[in-house]
Amino acid sequence: EPEVTQTPSHQVTQMGQEVILRCVPISNHLYFYWYRQILGQKVEFLVSFYNNEISEKSEIFDDQFSVERPDGSNFTLKIRSTKLEDSAMYFCASSEGDRGYEKLFFGSGTQLSVL
Amino acid sequence: LAKTTQPISMDSYEGQEVNITCSHNNIATNDYITWYQQFPSQGPRFIIQGYKTKVTNEVASLFIPADRKSSTLSLPRVSLSDTAVYYCLVGTGTASKLTFGTGTRLQVTL
Repeated sequence: EPEVTQTPSHQVTQMGQEVILRCVPISNHLYFYWYRQILGQKVEFLVSFYNNEISEKSEIFDDQFSVERPDGSNFTLKIRSTKLEDSAMYFCASSEGDRGYEKLFFGSGTQLSVL
Repeated sequence: LAKTTQPISMDSYEGQEVNITCSHNNIATNDYITWYQQFPSQGPRFIIQGYKTKVTNEVASLFIPADRKSSTLSLPRVSLSDTAVYYCLVGTGTASKLTFGTGTRLQVTL
């Protein structure tokens, strides 16, 4: 089965530092997403991205977050100035379409620890 | 958005059939029902999806009664590796509207 690849698997950073989380979505997919999961809590939607622009974003996705597709294969999430509460597992996902019955393919996640 | 209710946890022995029921009383006409599985420190993985009646794939079956107000994920002959959290999602429209609830934590033991 095709896979979504995320790097790094673990990222440790100091509060206030910028981090970039990287993802390679499945090659023929058109829609890309970032979700996060704080330890022991629900998987939360952050942002969806299509045709080189943000389609939707949640309340969590504030000005310190940004997404980019710098080339034809990578999809990145940047956190400009990390806070302690940004510590979470961040999942990238992709799908062929963007309807509620689309099958989402998730990566294995990047565990971000902000110290 | 259709709210879903699932048991918080379930226990099973290896080799048994496990049925996890999800309640979604205010499901809309166009909503689909999708189940995901999540292992610790991994992303959710699609298991099965349905709209009505019964759907079966190589991993599971999904039973949806005529009123569609609930659905049951059936895992035949579970093994230790089926220990995971199972999420029932209901919705349509954009994927951002799909909400992962707390899920059902299934523990399979020998």
